[in-house]
Amino acid sequence: DVKVTQSSRYLVKRTGEKVFLECVQDMDHENMFWYRQDPGLGLRLIYFSYDVKMKEKGDIPEGYSVSREKKERFSLILESASTNQTSMYLCASKIFGVSYNEQFFGPGTRLTVL
Amino acid sequence: AQKITQTQPGMFVQEKEAVTLDCTYDTSDQSYGLFWYKQPSSGEMIFLIYQGSYDEQNATEGRYSLNFQKARKSANLVISASQLGDSAMYFCAMRGLQGAQKLVFGQGTRLTINP
Repeated sequence: DVKVTQSSRYLVKRTGEKVFLECVQDMDHENMFWYRQDPGLGLRLIYFSYDVKMKEKGDIPEGYSVSREKKERFSLILESASTNQTSMYLCASKIFGVSYNEQFFGPGTRLTVL
Repeated sequence: AQKITQTQPGMFVQEKEAVTLDCTYDTSDQSYGLFWYKQPSSGEMIFLIYQGSYDEQNATEGRYSLNFQKARKSANLVISASQLGDSAMYFCAMRGLQGAQKLVFGQGTRLTINP
């Protein structure tokens, strides 16, 4: 069974802290994605990666960075957390090149920044 | 730029009735694809159905079907014989030719099935 896991379901951090959100997939997918989900706004793409060490900005990359050192792992980094980054963060993965294939999602991390 | 619009923030339906969730899209791409996902209260996104822009027939997957009207740029999800377990958030999403690996999501519709 395909699996995307995220390191935490719930996380509480302080303003100014550096925050790491980890995502691991076991499907050998090339593509991985980070989204944030806010009420009334749906899911918005933060960053995505086509392959190891490759990354591309999504629609809302400001305040975030990413790291992909291994194929199965894609990390989202909040360099200095702010209260407006309180949100649900969803990671997804997808096989490369087959455009009708769906993205597989992790369970999400609900981040609260105080 | 691609855009997905879901105009129904919430819907309430009686169990066993059919329900239609609306989705309209905007794109300049000739080749694109449309997806529907379900998000239960547990938070995980579950893929339901896919429709390609060149597919001649409407997609169906069990109780789910996609009413694809290309000229009107709409891709409504139809759930037949609704069940209590269908209560969830539903998202419509699109991938385009440009950036074909990415998805653009709508705002979502919260569906509640009443017994």
